[in-house]
Parts: sequence; C-alpha cells; structure tokens
Amino acid sequence: EVQLVESGGGLVQPGGSLRLSCAASGFTFSTYWMYWVRQAPGKGLVWLSRIHSDGSVINYADSVKGRFTISRDNAKNTLYLQMNSLRAEDTAVYYCARSPSTRYFDYWGQGTLVTVSS
Amino acid sequence: DIQMTQSSSSLSASVGDRVTITCRASQSISPYLNWYQQKPGKAPKLLIYTASSLQSGVPSRFSGSGSGTDFTLTISSLQPEDFATYYCQQSYTTPYTFGQGTKLEI
Repeated sequence: EVQLVESGGGLVQPGGSLRLSCAASGFTFSTYWMYWVRQAPGKGLVWLSRIHSDGSVINYADSVKGRFTISRDNAKNTLYLQMNSLRAEDTAVYYCARSPSTRYFDYWGQGTLVTVSS
Repeated sequence: DIQMTQSSSSLSASVGDRVTITCRASQSISPYLNWYQQKPGKAPKLLIYTASSLQSGVPSRFSGSGSGTDFTLTISSLQPEDFATYYCQQSYTTPYTFGQGTKLEI
C-alpha cells in the first residue's frame, strides 16, 4: 500500500525555520517525482515545489523561491522541505504528493500543519 | 503563471443530479488538466488526469472533457459521498496552478 506521511509541522515565530519530512512507503520512491503543495486555512491548493526522482531537477513557486528548499534522500525514502524566513502567510497545511508522470499527483500525504505566529 | 478559473465557487445540487463543473485556463494547456476532489480535513484525491483519463478506482460516474483552455468535470448521477470541493489543476508548465475550487453542496 502506498503511504506518504508528513511530519515536522508546528508553531514557529515569524522569521523562523522549520523542516518538513515526508516518509514514503509501499512504492519505489527513487523512481518518482515528488511535490509539495500547501493549503492555507479555508483556502485553495497552492503548488510549491517539485524534485526529480534523482534530485537533478528542482522547481519552485515564486512565493517560496529563495526561502524554501526541497530535497530527498532516496536511501531513506524521504522527501524534505526546508523552510526559512517564515512569514504569517506561510501558515498552511503542507502536503507531499507523488507523481507517476510529472503531470498529476496520484497519492497525497495526510498533511502537516505549519503555523507562523508570534 | 497560468491562471486557472473555475466558473463557480459553489454549486447546489441534489442526489441523482447530473452536475458539470467548468474550468478555464489563461492559455492553452491541452491535455494537461487534472481534477481533484477534497473533503473537509482530508487530502485531495485524484479523479481525472490529462483532461479525460479516469484514475483507477474512481467511479465511472465521473468524467472529464475539454481541450485548449476550457475543461469540464461531469458527475453523471450525484451520490451522497460526492459532496465535496473540486479543484482543477494545470500541469502544462510549472508552477502547476490550481483553480480556486468549487464546493458542491446539497
């Protein structure tokens, strides 16, 4: 069974940092593109970043470029999102997702809540 | 960035109704349009990919169509479990933008 489990969310002060993890199981993690998507409370879905199966290609949304860093450890079957210089508007549930083709997300994690507040 | 616009933010319908949700892109994105369903407190679920391909395990009452800039998600006969929020997403080019969502209500 495919599983994606996010962790690392929590309360952080503005300007602070947080690292999210997404533990994958039930599939060959090293062969899939992986993505991060977020959803602010009561709002819609926002695409954040993606990483190629071997880490060779990375893209970011302009809203997080220069502040967030996506990475992966294929030996640990884990995807990461390092978030620096956090702002109140980064408050959201963060989801990781798997893509079998780079064109759609067929499995999502349950999400982890990040709250940026003083 | 490509802007995705869903024609309605909310839609009221009844069990058994045929429902259509529309999505328009700010430029041609064929065929890279996906549809997701999201229920409160849950992760999104893929329904349709590349405009008209039904994801494995998704009931056949869901279908997708369209090309160019205009796309449609159709639910042929609404079931109680279909009341949720639906999002379109373009995957023509990054950032893979989503529509604002259409909440399907009883």
